[in-house]
Amino acid sequence: DQQVKQNSPSLSVQEGRISILNCDYTNSMFDYFLWYKKYPAEGPTFLISISSIKDKNEDGRFTVFLNKSAKHLSLHIVPSQPGDSAVYFCAASARRNSGGSNYKLTFGKGTLLTVNP
Amino acid sequence: KAGVTQTPRYLIKTRGQQVTLSCSPISGHRSVSWYQQTPGQGLQFLFEYFSETQRNKGNFPGRFSGRQFSNSRSEMNVSTLELGDSALYLCASNSPGGSYEQYFGPGTRLTVT
Repeated sequence: DQQVKQNSPSLSVQEGRISILNCDYTNSMFDYFLWYKKYPAEGPTFLISISSIKDKNEDGRFTVFLNKSAKHLSLHIVPSQPGDSAVYFCAASARRNSGGSNYKLTFGKGTLLTVNP
Repeated sequence: KAGVTQTPRYLIKTRGQQVTLSCSPISGHRSVSWYQQTPGQGLQFLFEYFSETQRNKGNFPGRFSGRQFSNSRSEMNVSTLELGDSALYLCASNSPGGSYEQYFGPGTRLTVT
C-alpha cells in the first residue's frame, strides 16, 4: 500500500511560470513532510519541509502548502527556471510513532519536472 | 564541510553472492539511514542507525543487514543476492538537533546478473 502518492509522473512548464507539484498521503500519523529534488546520478537534495502544525512554509522561490483535512500537500516553484528540471520527491515522517527515530521517511515515486526555456 | 561519501559507486555481482556497501556521514552526524531506490518501488527505507544501534527498520528480508561503527561510518550488507536487488542504494546523513533533514550521498548502483 503506497502511503505517499505523487500521481503525476511528469510535468512540463515554461520558464518563468509557476510549477505546482502535488502529493497525497494516506497515513494520518504523518506529521512532517519534506520535498527533495534529484538529478540523475546524484542523491536527493533537501528542498523544503513543513510540520503538520503549519499550513504553509516559504523559502525563496519554493513554497509548500499542507492541507491536513485533504491529506494533500503541494510544492510551488515561482518563477520556474530551467535549472529546476529534475525529479521531485515528496516524503513524510511519523515522528511521534517512530520509536524515537525521526529519520524513517516514506517517499512518493517522484514527479519529473521539465522547465522549458 | 565534506558531504556524504558512499563507496563503491558502482558494483556488479552475480546471483547468490553477497555485497557490502559503505557510507561515511557528514562530520558530527551520528545517525545514518539507508534507502533502496528502484524504478518500480521508488525510494524505500531500509534501516536507520544511531550511535551504533539500529533504531528503525523497514520491510526488507533478513538478507539485508547493516551496522554502524563508533566513528558513525555505516555499512550495509546484502547476502544471497537476487536479481531484484539491483537498485541504487542511498545513504542519508541525518541532521541532529531536531531539524529532521537528511542529506543524501550519491548512492551505490548495484547490478545483480
